[in-house]
Amino acid sequence: DTGVSQDPRHKITKRGQNVTFRCDPISEHNRLYWYRQTLGQGPEFLTYFQNEAQLEKSRLLSDRFSAERPKGSFSTLEIQRTEQGDSAMYLCASTSLGPTGGETQYFGPGTRLLVL
Amino acid sequence: AQTVTQSQPEMSVQEAETVTLSCTYDTSESDYYLFWYKQPPSRQMILVIRQEAYKQQNATENRFSVNFQKAAKSFSLKISDSQLGDAAMYFCAYRSRGGGSQGNLIFGKGTKLSVKP
Repeated sequence: DTGVSQDPRHKITKRGQNVTFRCDPISEHNRLYWYRQTLGQGPEFLTYFQNEAQLEKSRLLSDRFSAERPKGSFSTLEIQRTEQGDSAMYLCASTSLGPTGGETQYFGPGTRLLVL
Repeated sequence: AQTVTQSQPEMSVQEAETVTLSCTYDTSESDYYLFWYKQPPSRQMILVIRQEAYKQQNATENRFSVNFQKAAKSFSLKISDSQLGDAAMYFCAYRSRGGGSQGNLIFGKGTKLSVKP
């Protein structure tokens, strides 16, 4: 068990550019979540996958954001035409859905995005 | 919609002393989970402790324990024998229970804990 990993750890981009982040969950986990954390705030839910299916998106996920989880393994989060307001830490978490529904989510180290 | 409130932006404790971090939440659900996560500076978030709402017994994990008051919708974290490594942001989080829920966590804004040597 190598834990949840995210790549890159840091990304600096210019406004208007596209960026893509990757998350590798714990291998046996079937649920994967994306959260966004801005300075001084707790993480906020963006979207989640159960296996390869994207089941829910929050209102925070504008149409410039797209997420995929091909084959139910790693996931990518792409932001098109970045804006300065997109600057944040993007966190990925994974868990294994079981009968109780309360399984712990394990977080990755996050990708810190700075849009200039 | 559920909300989580942490009213203490910052707390400080002397090494080896005890500190309590507060958390209140609002929900109309009767069955849910509550969590405390720790986020050290520039390091990833890790679970400290969790509590199932249907359990009356307060959860404990070594030096960490909670005071869960369901009627008051309160969920405080007590850290005993504080250590320098406990310095971090602490987030209280709520999660709906049940297979039909999307299962995302709802976080408070966090409490920054400093530990003085």
